Parts: sequence; C-alpha cells; structure tokens
Amino acid sequence: DAKTTQPTSMDCAEGRAANLPCNHSTISGNEYVYWYRQIHSQGPQYIIHGLKNNETNEMASLIITEDRKSSTLILPHATLRDTAVYYCIVHAGNQFYFGTGTSLTVIP
Amino acid sequence: EPEVTQTPSHQVTQMGQEVILRCVPISNHLYFYWYRQILGQKVEFLVSFYNNEISEKSEIFDDQFSVERPDGSNFTLKIRSTKLEDSAMYFCARQGEGAETQYFGPGTRLLVL
Repeated sequence: DAKTTQPTSMDCAEGRAANLPCNHSTISGNEYVYWYRQIHSQGPQYIIHGLKNNETNEMASLIITEDRKSSTLILPHATLRDTAVYYCIVHAGNQFYFGTGTSLTVIP
Repeated sequence: EPEVTQTPSHQVTQMGQEVILRCVPISNHLYFYWYRQILGQKVEFLVSFYNNEISEKSEIFDDQFSVERPDGSNFTLKIRSTKLEDSAMYFCARQGEGAETQYFGPGTRLLVL
C-alpha cells in the first residue's frame, strides 16, 4: 500500500514555482522518495528521487526534511505542459506503489 | 534514459479471447515490470521479471496472466481468457542503469467487450 499522503489537487500560475508537498512519516531508513508524474493516461514519467539529501535535476528539485518524514517537489517555473498527476512514492526493493497523487493544474 | 516501446497502442478484444501485449526495450535490459491502470483508478503492480524469471507478482496476477521473453528481446504479457474487468491501460517498465528507478512505456489500452 501507498505510504504517502498528498493533497488531492493544487493549482499553480504559469511561470511560478509549483511546490508539491508529500508526507511519508513511516518511511524506513533504506527507502527512497521518488516522484513520478502522469499526463492524461500516458505512462508514468520519472521526475526525481532522493534518500536524505536535497536533489536537483533539469526537471525539478526535491527537498527532503531532516527527519525524512516529508518532502516537497519543486517545479521552478511551471508551464502548461506540467499539468499532470504527481505521485510521491517511497520505495525500496521491487515494485512501486502508486497512490492517488496530486492533480496539478497550471493556470495561464 | 531510453524508454521502452509497447505494442499495440490499442487493442479491442472479445471476452474470453487471448491477448498478448508486447514491450520492446531499446537496449538489452534484464529487469522488467508490468503495471495496469483501470480507468480512473491507481496504477497497480502486476509482476516483475528478472533474467527470464518472475521475481515478484501481485494478487492481481493470477493464472490468467503469464509473462515471458520468447526471443530474448520482446517482453510479453499474455492474458489467456480476457474478462470485462481486464479493460485497462497496461504499462511495461524497465529498470534504469545501476538504480531502482523504473522507466515506463506509453502503455497499451486494452478494451474487452
């Protein structure tokens, strides 16, 4: 089962930063925090992942709290094409457990 | 990283018929996964496949389902006798290089009538 809690939906103005929160208070020491997104029934798209340290790549930044019980995905300059469902997943081992995610709508 | 491709993109079949969904990796990977997503519901894990063997499967993956890599390249999911409730998007995924990240294909939309 999914071990994360995310808001059901969020809006963000185009060009502004989108900050998507995730709670994972029962995360284990060896579990990574992964973020994927799904645009309108396409295959889930990998965004970023981290264990303890903050991470940044060309798509986004991931901020993980020191106690690792929560994290925030940051899309620095949201575009209309970032409208999607964003999944926060804690993962170690084989399968990924997808929850219901956050439906992000970027508004022109 | 290079993704996987899936064929067909859409498949319509009659209840009770067999269907084979295919996943074509771009390069020679060993670790593959199948997930499904019923319309409006969560993405659900079906099975993982490593080095030509099933390594883990979910409760959904019953005797009606099978996976294989018949020619050492294509990775297939077979549903022997489809049911109406098998209608869903089916996603293949492969594991990334040196990590547990999974990269998903575009999916096959299966409709059982």
